[in-house]
Amino acid sequence: DQQVKQNSPSLSVQEGRISILNCDYTNSMFDYFLWYKKYPAEGPTFLISISSIKDKNEDGRFTVFLNKSAKHLSLHIVPSQPGDSAVYFCAASPYNTNAGKSTFGDGTTLTVKP
Amino acid sequence: NAGVMQNPRHLVRRRGQEARLRCSPMKGHSHVYWYRQLPEEGLKFMVYLQKENIIDESGMPKERFSAEFPKEGPSILRIQQVVRGDSAAYFCASSPSPLAGNYNEQFFGPGTRLTVL
Repeated sequence: DQQVKQNSPSLSVQEGRISILNCDYTNSMFDYFLWYKKYPAEGPTFLISISSIKDKNEDGRFTVFLNKSAKHLSLHIVPSQPGDSAVYFCAASPYNTNAGKSTFGDGTTLTVKP
Repeated sequence: NAGVMQNPRHLVRRRGQEARLRCSPMKGHSHVYWYRQLPEEGLKFMVYLQKENIIDESGMPKERFSAEFPKEGPSILRIQQVVRGDSAAYFCASSPSPLAGNYNEQFFGPGTRLTVL
């Protein structure tokens, strides 16, 4: 049973346009959500996060939206740049003693075309 | 300030040998996590450790796999009697203690790519 799902394995957008990456979760205990970016042959790097008390968090070109009732979150990148081409992982964790443990989705490969 | 260090970056083992993967967390981080990424898949949680303690090993296979994070030195993920299905990228991450605030964010190492021949 996959608790964090990224249903789109890949996404291709034109430079300058908006990229929207989606993520769904099933576990109601998840309270904190994160997006990581991963380049080939490197470890994931933290991008942006959101706690369940918010529905939006913005950091420069990156915005994460959370819809708790739908158990859905999305990452918006605008404007998209070729350097944004990478695999994006959505992750979720509960706010308890094991809060550090994150459950990851399978990732979405974003390609931004010049 | 050095990030999370993992070594070796690449490890080749024959079936039946042992694999030892090492992870040094970021300075000041007391929590270590190990994840495995199989080809074309996401990161799967394996184990969560603090110094000298295993907090959660729910993702660890019941046999052949073990992990430790001693008081001194790096965290070690040990795979005994490796099989071809163990071939994967193994990532280590670290985070500050819960007292440090935003401890949900994890800092990842570059990974160790294990190939079992």
